[in-house]
Amino acid sequence: DAKTTQPTSMDCAEGRAANLPCNHSTISGNEYVYWYRQIHSQGPQYIIHGLKNNETNEMASLIITEDRKSSTLILPHATLRDTAVYYCIVRGYNYGQNFVFGPGTRLSVLP
Amino acid sequence: GAGVSQSPSNKVTEKGKDVELRCDPISGHTALYWYRQSLGQGLEFLIYFQGNSAPDKSGLPSDRFSAERTGGSVSTLTIQRTQQEDSAVYLCASSLAKGWEQFFGPGTRLTVL
Repeated sequence: DAKTTQPTSMDCAEGRAANLPCNHSTISGNEYVYWYRQIHSQGPQYIIHGLKNNETNEMASLIITEDRKSSTLILPHATLRDTAVYYCIVRGYNYGQNFVFGPGTRLSVLP
Repeated sequence: GAGVSQSPSNKVTEKGKDVELRCDPISGHTALYWYRQSLGQGLEFLIYFQGNSAPDKSGLPSDRFSAERTGGSVSTLTIQRTQQEDSAVYLCASSLAKGWEQFFGPGTRLTVL
């Protein structure tokens, strides 16, 4: 059972910011929010993760609400190569198994 | 190599045959995971290895599935008496340690005729 809910699909114009939401209302205090993406015919690719503070790296930003019940992955300037399925995953730090991937959000970046 | 590698990239087999899928994790990564992904579906956890600890086999769908990890590095996933419903992409991932982010290989596409 995935602990997260995400929209099935989203579109974004090339060059604009893509904001992908994720709800994780049952998240517990020791659980992190992870984002992965899977480009067609490739294995999943790690993007970013966070606990409660907002995080930014070279790929994306992660905004986590104060109550931690939802988060948003932001791709600041989406390109056609960002078209992929994006997975939001919640898991605790102290166990690595049972990494549950839901169906994710299929992001289509349009020219 | 720099990333997780898997072989073969594609495998077509006949129903009832046994298959072996190989995963070479990133050097130094102590944790290794197997997942499978059926067409249009999310990833399904199969099994997890961490160092010398007993593997977590809770995701294996039947006793036809088994996996081993030799020398704490290379892992082999074996499917005995394959069935058509075993057709999927089998993904391997490794991480530096339990709880760290996972890096995925390109997967093995298994087709059971």
